[in-house]
Amino acid sequence: EVQLVESGGGLVKPGGSLRLSCAASGFTFSIYNMDWVRQAPGKGPEWVSSIGITGSPVYHADSVKGRFTMSRDNAKNSLYLQMNSLRGEDTAVYYCARVTDGLHYSDVWGKGTTVTVSS
Amino acid sequence: DIQMTQSPSSMSASVGDRVTITCRASQDISSSLAWYQQKPGKAPNLLIYTASILQSGVPSRFSGSGSGTDFTLTISSLQSEDFATYYCQQANSFPITFGQGTRLEIK
Repeated sequence: EVQLVESGGGLVKPGGSLRLSCAASGFTFSIYNMDWVRQAPGKGPEWVSSIGITGSPVYHADSVKGRFTMSRDNAKNSLYLQMNSLRGEDTAVYYCARVTDGLHYSDVWGKGTTVTVSS
Repeated sequence: DIQMTQSPSSMSASVGDRVTITCRASQDISSSLAWYQQKPGKAPNLLIYTASILQSGVPSRFSGSGSGTDFTLTISSLQSEDFATYYCQQANSFPITFGQGTRLEIK
C-alpha cells in the first residue's frame, strides 16, 4: 500500500524549532519529487516547500524562506522539514505529499501532523 | 505569484443535482490545473489534473474543463459522499497556489 506518514508535530513556543519527518512506503520514493503543504485551521491548503528527487532543487514559499529547510534521505525513504523561528501563523496541519511524475500535482498525501505555535 | 479565485465560496445542492464550480487564475496557466476534494479532518484528495484528466479511481461523474485562465469542475449527479470542500491548484509555476475553496453543502 502506498503510504506517507508524518511525525514530529507538537506545541512549540514562538521562536522555537521543530523537525517534521515523513516516512514513505509502498512506492519507489527516490524517483518522486515531494512537497510539504500546510493547512491552517479553517483555511485552504498552502504550499510550503518542494524538493527534487536527488535533494535539489528545493523551493520554499516566501512565508517560510530563511526559516524552514526541506531535505530528504532516499536511503531511508524519508522526507524532512526543519522549522526554525516559528511564528503563530505557522500553526497548521502539515502534510507531506508525493508529486506526480513530470507534473506538479500531489497524488498521494499523508494524514498530516499538527504544529501549534503558542506561548 | 499566480492568484487562484474560486466561485462560489459555498453552495448548497441536493443529491442528484448537477453542480459546477469555477476557478480563475490571475494569469495564463495553460492546462496546469488540478482539482482536489477534502472532507473534514482528512487530507485533500486529487480528483482531476491537467485541467481535465480524471485521476485513477475517481468516479466518472466528476469532470474538468478549461484552459488559460478559466476552469470548471462539474459533478454531473451529486452523491451524498460528494458533500465536501473543493480546491483548485495551479501547477504552472512556483509558488504553487491553491484557490480559497468551495464548500458544497447539502440543501
